[in-house]
Amino acid sequence: QVQLVQSGAEVKKPGASVRVSCKTSGYSFDDYAIHWVRQAPGQRLECMGWLTPGNNNLKISEKFQGRVTFTKDTPASTVYMDLRSLTSEDTALYYCSRDGGWTSGTTFFDYWGQGTRVTVSS
Amino acid sequence: DIVMTQSPLSLAVIPGEPASISCRSSRSLLDGNGYNQVSWYLQRPGQSPQFLIYLSSTRASGVPDRFSGSGSGTDFTLKISRVEAEDVGVYYCMQVLQAPYTFGQGTKLEIK
Repeated sequence: QVQLVQSGAEVKKPGASVRVSCKTSGYSFDDYAIHWVRQAPGQRLECMGWLTPGNNNLKISEKFQGRVTFTKDTPASTVYMDLRSLTSEDTALYYCSRDGGWTSGTTFFDYWGQGTRVTVSS
Repeated sequence: DIVMTQSPLSLAVIPGEPASISCRSSRSLLDGNGYNQVSWYLQRPGQSPQFLIYLSSTRASGVPDRFSGSGSGTDFTLKISRVEAEDVGVYYCMQVLQAPYTFGQGTKLEIK
């Protein structure tokens, strides 16, 4: 069965960087884009961008350009999200999700990781 | 960015009664092929969001048929024909016509 398993919670100081991993299993890793979505306290879900492992198609939301990097480890079927120059506004629950919609001419997030809580505090 | 606005922000429903959630976008979500690029998700308390509906009205695999989506252009609706206790949580609409993909602010469904 399809699974996305994320790394554990992180506590970081302002100005630091964080890496969140998303280990996938149960499907062909190369064929599906992995999107990153975050949920800050009291805020709506926010898309950060995506990486398609098979063709390295990459899109980062303008809000995060220059601060976020998406990378992959194909043998490990894992995607990583690195976020730099953290501020308190980056305190949020970060999700990875699989785009299952490409065969239907759309995008939808059919499987989600369990979420990784990132807390930025001095 | 396309702004998605949901209403109401919360609703309390008696089990067995219907529920309806509205979602309005700041621009048309109709693509060049005639498809409305909007999907719906439910986030149960303490859980990750789960996928319900795509292309405005197509139910995801395994989603009960009491859930239905409709709408076109800028106005969309999610309906639950008979609410059950397991339906509690926050419902989100999401547009995938134009990156960055954006969500509505969420509608919290509670059981009365």
